[in-house]
Amino acid sequence: AQKITQTQPGMFVQEKEAVTLDCTYDTSDQSYGLFWYKQPSSGEMIFLIYQGSYDEQNATEGRYSLNFQKARKSANLVISASQLGDSAMYFCPWRALTFGSGTRLQVQP
Amino acid sequence: IAGITQAPTSQILAAGRRMTLRCTQDMRHNAMYWYRQDLGLGLRLIHYSNTAGTTGKGEVPDGYSVSRANTDDFPLTLASAVPSQTSVYFCASSAEDTAEQFFGPGTRLTVL
Repeated sequence: AQKITQTQPGMFVQEKEAVTLDCTYDTSDQSYGLFWYKQPSSGEMIFLIYQGSYDEQNATEGRYSLNFQKARKSANLVISASQLGDSAMYFCPWRALTFGSGTRLQVQP
Repeated sequence: IAGITQAPTSQILAAGRRMTLRCTQDMRHNAMYWYRQDLGLGLRLIHYSNTAGTTGKGEVPDGYSVSRANTDDFPLTLASAVPSQTSVYFCASSAEDTAEQFFGPGTRLTVL
């Protein structure tokens, strides 16, 4: 069975600062996709970024980047220049089957 | 329809009643999923379907059933609802299980 671990239940960051949200995964599969989703208080799930297991370079999407370390089985999300609208729950599912418990990020002015 | 829709938006249900949550997508995605999200927690997979005509069990399948008669629709049925099934239910679809998922807006279900 695959397992996703998000060790930070809650995080605080000052507006305009960078923040790293941790995600580790436990799987023996060689082929997989790692995702990060954002869930604001309104409840919808918003796709942020994707990293494939065979991708050579870390994925980036605007202010979001993935720090993917295959040997350590980690896929941490880095948000640069945090904005108040980044306050939300963040999830890093492995493929579509396993979600972690999430990290609640609060951006402070 | 644009994307993925769910119905109803919310429902209050008496324990023991049968209920079907509807999910429809118009993106011709092969894979569809049902998750439940309890208050303050992450999503847990109930059932999934990799392609029309096939379904599989997720992490918490007990008390739920699904069908996938065609590509677009993936209904979730609670045969006899219990209070522990009070949750927000999300339907999602993707081209395949390693691809980005598109989520519906969710159905808030309360079982009394």
